[in-house]
Amino acid sequence: RKEVEQDPGPFNVPEGATVAFNCTYSNSASQSFFWYRQDCRKEPKLLMSVYSSGNEDGRFTAQLNRASQYISLLIRDSKLSDSATYLCVVFTGTASKLTFGTGTRLQVTL
Amino acid sequence: NAGVTQTPKFQVLKTGQSMTLQCAQDMNHNSMYWYRQDPGMGLRLIYYSASEGTTDKGEVPNGYNVSRLNKREFSLRLESAAPSQTSVYFCASSAAGPLGFYEQYFGPGTRLTVT
Repeated sequence: RKEVEQDPGPFNVPEGATVAFNCTYSNSASQSFFWYRQDCRKEPKLLMSVYSSGNEDGRFTAQLNRASQYISLLIRDSKLSDSATYLCVVFTGTASKLTFGTGTRLQVTL
Repeated sequence: NAGVTQTPKFQVLKTGQSMTLQCAQDMNHNSMYWYRQDPGMGLRLIYYSASEGTTDKGEVPNGYNVSRLNKREFSLRLESAAPSQTSVYFCASSAAGPLGFYEQYFGPGTRLTVT
């Protein structure tokens, strides 16, 4: 089983839709969780950290479920500019151990 | 503020050639990383440097060497390139944030093809 698993998609949604991605992780000792965004042929950039209590940043909401070992990302009112690949990232407590999922591709259309 | 810079942006090598990928950051971060990204594989850590003067192997170190030249610069060397090293290489840097979070900032990547 992969350490971090994501549905590769693509998720094709119309502008204005709400879309949610899940990501599961296998190491129960994982400490910190992040969502990164990666545009085509560009570098990954931090979208948001994921806190145990859940957190929101504008149209984006991230949730963590430690019991079931998954994190989620909800995007409301999707914009064309949200089209990208969303990477789930898990930190397991050493400087080296950021594990990246393979990403979920989102395509927002008119 | 340049953030993390990488050179070159593109490179084509023949099997057996060597080259060094350069990375520099101007954010005064202690930690620096080299990743490779292949289709369907996600980002995989090659080497990292937790602080100036230290380097450690990551998940896929074979065929690579690194040098942490100073706090700003971290280079990745391919001594004898192989087609399996065709990939996109990203350098990243980080500083510990609150609660131990390690937000990483990435450079724009180097697209390497080995023929």
